[in-house]
Amino acid sequence: QVQLQESGPGLVKPSETLTLTCNVSGAFIRNYYWSWIRQPPGKGLEWIGNIYYSGNSNYNPSLNSRATTSVDTSTNQVFLKLLSVTAADTAVYYCATGDPPEAFDMWGQGTMVTVSS
Amino acid sequence: DIKMTQSPSSLSASVGDRVTITCRASQSIRTYLNWYQQKPGKAPKFLIYDASSLQTGVSSKFSGSGSGTDFTLTISDLQPEDFGSYYCQQTYSPPWTFGQGTKVEIK
Repeated sequence: QVQLQESGPGLVKPSETLTLTCNVSGAFIRNYYWSWIRQPPGKGLEWIGNIYYSGNSNYNPSLNSRATTSVDTSTNQVFLKLLSVTAADTAVYYCATGDPPEAFDMWGQGTMVTVSS
Repeated sequence: DIKMTQSPSSLSASVGDRVTITCRASQSIRTYLNWYQQKPGKAPKFLIYDASSLQTGVSSKFSGSGSGTDFTLTISDLQPEDFGSYYCQQTYSPPWTFGQGTKVEIK
């Protein structure tokens, strides 16, 4: 059974870089594209971007090139870096995947990130 | 980006009711549409793909229809466990975008 587990700092200061980790178990990480999706409190879902183990990645232009994803096949982890965060980046961040890549049928439990000084 | 608009934003229905949620795309997306259910504090659950195909393991009480710009999700025989928020998502053109959600409450 595939399990995804996100982790992160919880609290980030404005203008800093947010780094999140998704630990993948029960799946061959090379088989899928891995997406990050976020949800601000009380609001809807926003797809941030995805990455394949080869390094091929796609991003939502709404992030203004602030997001970068990566994969470590040796540790079965997926990463998200978000530069220059503001309060608008406060959200629950989910790691998700599926086949095809845009059909998200496997999700982590999410990790809450608050941007505040 | 393709904008997805759901209606209503919220609804309250009784156990046993049939409920319909509408999703409209800002341009034709053929049948490239998914539906998700989300319970409070939980990750979304994948329900329907390609506008009308039920994901494996999902109850047949859920059904989807539509093509082009207009889509519907129908929940038949509403039960207390069906409460939550429902989201549509277009998969026609990246960036993949979601509707704003429809909150279903049980009367």
